[in-house]
Amino acid sequence: EAGVAQSPRYKIIEKRQSVAFWCNPISGHATLYWYQQILGQGPKLLIQFQNNGVVDDSQLPKDRFSAERLKGVDSTLKIQPAKLEDSAVYLCASSRTGDSNYGYTFGSGTRLTVV
Amino acid sequence: DQQVKQNSPSLSVQEGRISILNCDYTNSMFDYFLWYKKYPAEGPTFLISISSIKDKNEDGRFTVFLNKSAKHLSLHIVPSQPGDSAVYFCAARPYYGGSQGNLIFGKGTKLSVKP
Repeated sequence: EAGVAQSPRYKIIEKRQSVAFWCNPISGHATLYWYQQILGQGPKLLIQFQNNGVVDDSQLPKDRFSAERLKGVDSTLKIQPAKLEDSAVYLCASSRTGDSNYGYTFGSGTRLTVV
Repeated sequence: DQQVKQNSPSLSVQEGRISILNCDYTNSMFDYFLWYKKYPAEGPTFLISISSIKDKNEDGRFTVFLNKSAKHLSLHIVPSQPGDSAVYFCAARPYYGGSQGNLIFGKGTKLSVKP
């Protein structure tokens, strides 16, 4: 089974620029998550999709962050405009039904540096 | 307000000895606890979980112990191997009114196993 694919692996942008990240979950996984991991912190959920619907976006800074999962498969996360404090690793994860008893499968992440 | 706490940022252990990683939590509504392992430049990978109705779960060299009265769990690795060197995240899943919440992660503990 192929893992969760994310691109790009690294991105450096200037503050106030925009950036987009892409995620392809494991085939058949209905639930997709975007997490933000700031250096020295644990991952923090930004948004959860079930198929192409949003289940939880309570911690997504909606004034600058947006995410979509149009066909219930791939997803993109966008930041516009970026701030210095957005420097972090952005992790995408997926699970079969949203049942986290056995854990999510994470991608390798996109490391964003805002300068 | 940190609901899941890993108070030791790092731990160093000799190969062959036991590694004990600790995690404390504050929310009584957590029903599942999970441990993830993360190597540099990779996403976290699920290691082992435990339901709140149990006090121990074992999988090979890895055992998780849960003490609900103390709101404390620990991960034991016996014997420790150099390949176990990684950052270990404790995560907890809240359960509110019949619905599962999303995982809440601690800040992680960096384990170094020395040959």
